[in-house]
Amino acid sequence: DIQMTQSPSSLSASVGDRVTITCRASQSISSYLNWYQQKPGKAPKLLIYAASSLQSGVPSRFSGSGSGTDFTLTISSLQPEDFATYYCQQSYSTRWTFGQGTKLEIK
Amino acid sequence: QITLKESGPTLVKPTQTLTLTCTFSGFSLSTSGVGVGWIRQPPGKALEWLALIYWNDDKRYSPSLKSRLTITKDTSKNQVVLTMTNMDPVDTATYYCAHSTVTTALSFDYWGQGTLVTVSS
Repeated sequence: DIQMTQSPSSLSASVGDRVTITCRASQSISSYLNWYQQKPGKAPKLLIYAASSLQSGVPSRFSGSGSGTDFTLTISSLQPEDFATYYCQQSYSTRWTFGQGTKLEIK
Repeated sequence: QITLKESGPTLVKPTQTLTLTCTFSGFSLSTSGVGVGWIRQPPGKALEWLALIYWNDDKRYSPSLKSRLTITKDTSKNQVVLTMTNMDPVDTATYYCAHSTVTTALSFDYWGQGTLVTVSS
């Protein structure tokens, strides 16, 4: 299995901050990396697919980058509705795996 | 508009078999490049992918759970069914079904609301 490791596991930030979350794959996954946002009691929501493609309807303050083994999700200016848990997921291997999640909390 | 909804028992006993149904609309599982997957999330824990079935009936399973899982589709009913045998309390989780397509790099772009399954005697 391809292991996905996110850092940090949790993060405190303020509205308006620029935030970066990192995801590392245990082997090269090209650009087959996706990012999801999950709020308590809700299903995950796709934000970014193929490392850097913004899913339809997702605000442009979200962006993704990277290829190979190292990827980042950046939120350019945090909004109150962005406080949630974020997961990366690889779809290079058709045995999909998720990272352990990054909980973004209000400072 | 793509929607998915999970249904099945909320409580199962240890050793029993769980059967979950995903009923969807807004797409066809006979369309090339489309799949439906199952993902679960134990309370307070991370997401875990379980299984996926493609439009061409190709199936993929989590290696760690492969012996316990079966995924099938009924294209005419717009349903995907997941069975998991020999349920254990550690299988207590919210189970989601989700749409996947090559168009979005086989990500899961639409999700059901999830169904909480508790395993307890």
